Amino acid sequence: KAGVTQTPRYLIKTRGQQVTLSCSPISGHRSVSWYQQTPGQGLQFLFEYFSETQRNKGNFPGRFSGRQFSNSRSEMNVSTLELGDSALYLCASSLGRTNEKLFFGSGTQLSVL
Amino acid sequence: AQRVTQPEKLLSVFKGAPVELKCNYSYSGSPELFWYVQYSRQRLQLLLRHISRESIKGFTADLNKGETSFHLKKPFAQEEDSAMYYCALEGNGQNFVFGPGTRLSVLP
Repeated sequence: KAGVTQTPRYLIKTRGQQVTLSCSPISGHRSVSWYQQTPGQGLQFLFEYFSETQRNKGNFPGRFSGRQFSNSRSEMNVSTLELGDSALYLCASSLGRTNEKLFFGSGTQLSVL
Repeated sequence: AQRVTQPEKLLSVFKGAPVELKCNYSYSGSPELFWYVQYSRQRLQLLLRHISRESIKGFTADLNKGETSFHLKKPFAQEEDSAMYYCALEGNGQNFVFGPGTRLSVLP
């Protein structure tokens, strides 16, 4: 079974630009969640999608958005990039029920210059 | 509000020594708690969850609701246990809150 796949692996952008990150979950998983990981803040929850609907949202500004497609693949978009958005963005998939383990991707390392 | 704290950023122990990684949480409901681990150059992965009451790689964790703690323990640390450990709490509907993490270093 293929694991969670995130593309691209690395991204370099400049302030003000926008970026789209992609996540393909494990086959059969309907929940995809996104996390921002930084050395200072650790892992912070961005949002979770289940069956194409945003089910939960963390405390991030509206510049951060996402969506999920009918095949459960998910994209995350960040508009008007700021230097502070530089981070490792992790995606995780699961069956979507309570107490289900999360399967993480390798992440997309975003650098904003 | 949901919150997870891990007081130690770095914990160093010698091989064969007992290890305890501390985790405290705050949550108004009935918590679902997990330990995730990230070994060098590997993905973040589940180590264990409290509902399973299991021992994985010799690690156990007991939920203490009175002390709002979920400490991770192993009686005899091994060098291969060196990794970053995250305590996590599942809030309503797959909304996971992670602690800041503790880096465990097991010295030979």
